[in-house]
Amino acid sequence: GAVVSQHPSWVICKSGTSVKIECRSLDFQATTMFWYRQFPKQSLMLMATSNEGSKATYEQGVEKDKFLINHASLTLSTLTVTSAHPEDSSFYICSAKTGTYNKETQYFGPGTRLLVL
Amino acid sequence: QQQVKQSPQSLIVQKGGISIINCAYENTAFDYFPWYQQFPGKGPALLIAIRPDVSEKKEGRFTISFNKSAKQFSLHIMDSQPGDSATYFCAAGPFGNEKLTFGTGTRLTIIP
Repeated sequence: GAVVSQHPSWVICKSGTSVKIECRSLDFQATTMFWYRQFPKQSLMLMATSNEGSKATYEQGVEKDKFLINHASLTLSTLTVTSAHPEDSSFYICSAKTGTYNKETQYFGPGTRLLVL
Repeated sequence: QQQVKQSPQSLIVQKGGISIINCAYENTAFDYFPWYQQFPGKGPALLIAIRPDVSEKKEGRFTISFNKSAKQFSLHIMDSQPGDSATYFCAAGPFGNEKLTFGTGTRLTIIP
């Protein structure tokens, strides 16, 4: 159980275009999902926290107008990288929180590798 | 800034040996400490986690040791196998498992 999927698994796009990444919890409902960014051989950096039906909370230094997050349902959150540039190339990973009170756990998706040319 | 310091950066262990990775945190409000295993090109997978009410948790070959007073916790992999070769991240978070802060990662290589 507790499977999180991401689509696409990798994407190559031209500079200036927008890219949408989907994160789905397949066998559970997630009121909270998280979006992380990971550069090669580096740690995961939290970008934003996404709560179903409300606006995402962005971490300091993350441009909310560039990284649009929509958590439209209890099983789906999307991250849209708008007007992508080469410096946005990275590995984007989502996670979804599940579990009972005080026993919640984050389960991670397989990641989406974005390459902006 | 709330940091989680992880060491070593890389580790080579012989098959059958014990792999030990250490982490230290600063924020005393943290009360959830998971370890994640990540293979190249994949997302992190939860390995084992601990809360401060216990000093040790064991699941199979994986053990977390937790020292609340020192604000340190470590992962021990017993009888290390080549399939354990991966990058390991410790993390820490506050009550309710919100906003995990990740360590910098340890690249573990198990040699025959």
